[in-house]
Amino acid sequence: SQQGEEDPQALSIQEGENATMNCSYKTSINNLQWYRQNSGRGLVHLILIRSNEREKHSGRLRVTLDTSKKSSSLLITASRAADTASYFCATDGYQGGKLIFGQGTELSVKP
Amino acid sequence: GAGVSQSPSNKVTEKGKDVELRCDPISGHTALYWYRQSLGQGLEFLIYFQGNSAPDKSGLPSDRFSAERTGGSVSTLTIQRTQQEDSAVYLCASGLAGGSTGDTQYFGPGTRLTVL
Repeated sequence: SQQGEEDPQALSIQEGENATMNCSYKTSINNLQWYRQNSGRGLVHLILIRSNEREKHSGRLRVTLDTSKKSSSLLITASRAADTASYFCATDGYQGGKLIFGQGTELSVKP
Repeated sequence: GAGVSQSPSNKVTEKGKDVELRCDPISGHTALYWYRQSLGQGLEFLIYFQGNSAPDKSGLPSDRFSAERTGGSVSTLTIQRTQQEDSAVYLCASGLAGGSTGDTQYFGPGTRLTVL
């Protein structure tokens, strides 16, 4: 069964706008990761945030983690058409490293 | 360096046939994972290898599914007597550490399996 729920399921914005995606999970985690997937094939790792971290930045990406609410958000600033993809959160509990994925958010950035 | 590679990229088979999917992890990565992605089920964990430890097979959906990892490197996922519900993209990932410390997983491009 899926650990995470992502919100929204689909998001359409104009180039230059910011995109925010949210992820909620159910059990205690070791870390939370965000991945991007283009065209239903391989996933590209974006960022990993550990359970003792609250915020992390990587380029135009900003990830927050609230373990008390069991939720995370991914913010993409100044979006580009090339950011169009599906974005997944994945949690790594104390289970030996396997990732439990959310259902994903489909982001469409229109030029 | 090279990323995770998988072969074949696409596989079409008939119901009841056996298939083998191959994964070449990033050199030096001790952890190797298999996942599958289908329309109805999203991304699901299948099996996890970490070094010489016994694999975590908790995600395998039935005894028709098995996997092995030879020499701590290449892995093969075998599906026997394929069924139409096995149609999915099978993704392999590898990582440096795995285990309770958590690990960034690097994914291959996947094998798209279609069972007719």
